[in-house]
Amino acid sequence: DGGITQSPKYLFRKEGQNVTLSCEQNLNHDAMYWYRQDPGQGLRLIYYSQIVNDFQKGDIAEGYSVSREKKESFPLTVTSAQKNPTAFYLCASQELGVNEQFFGPGTRLTVL
Amino acid sequence: EDQVTQSPEALRLQEGESSSLNCSYTVSGLRGLFWYRQDPGKGPEFLFTLYSAGEEKEKERLKATLTKKESFLHITAPKPEDSATYLCAVRSDSWGKFQFGAGTQVVVTP
Repeated sequence: DGGITQSPKYLFRKEGQNVTLSCEQNLNHDAMYWYRQDPGQGLRLIYYSQIVNDFQKGDIAEGYSVSREKKESFPLTVTSAQKNPTAFYLCASQELGVNEQFFGPGTRLTVL
Repeated sequence: EDQVTQSPEALRLQEGESSSLNCSYTVSGLRGLFWYRQDPGKGPEFLFTLYSAGEEKEKERLKATLTKKESFLHITAPKPEDSATYLCAVRSDSWGKFQFGAGTQVVVTP
């Protein structure tokens, strides 16, 4: 089955800790994205990558970091510098030249 | 800057009661308007892409239409399984960034 997987589904973090959210896709898509979703707000772009070993900041990159060492993987690290990390995190991928983005199931991060 | 506004924020319908959701947008140059369905605790599911004014797309009880300033998602004779949050997004002339609206939460009661 082709698709996007995110893990874990739920993640709990203590203040001051860094955590890494996994995103893997087997769609052979070139571009991958990370969004954050908060209640009552639209999805906001954190980081995106169009090719391996290259990525750019989105609208709310502060306190987050990413890597793109493999085409199929785009992990997101939420660092202790992110002041309000509790949210629902969504990973998406897109085939370049095709307009639609497709989403994974999401990871809900809660800071205790 | 691209902006997307969805209305209403929430909509409660009786089963069979047709209605429409609105997505108003301002972009520098539209390269696509997208509708997604999102169930609670899940990722958005792609529904439609519209590119130019006058275009319409249909899928089961859903029909999306597009004008130069807004898009409508019409739900005809909804069923309880149509309950979800519907998201609208636009892509402009920039590198391909999507701008999302906040969504309309639809609840269909039997």
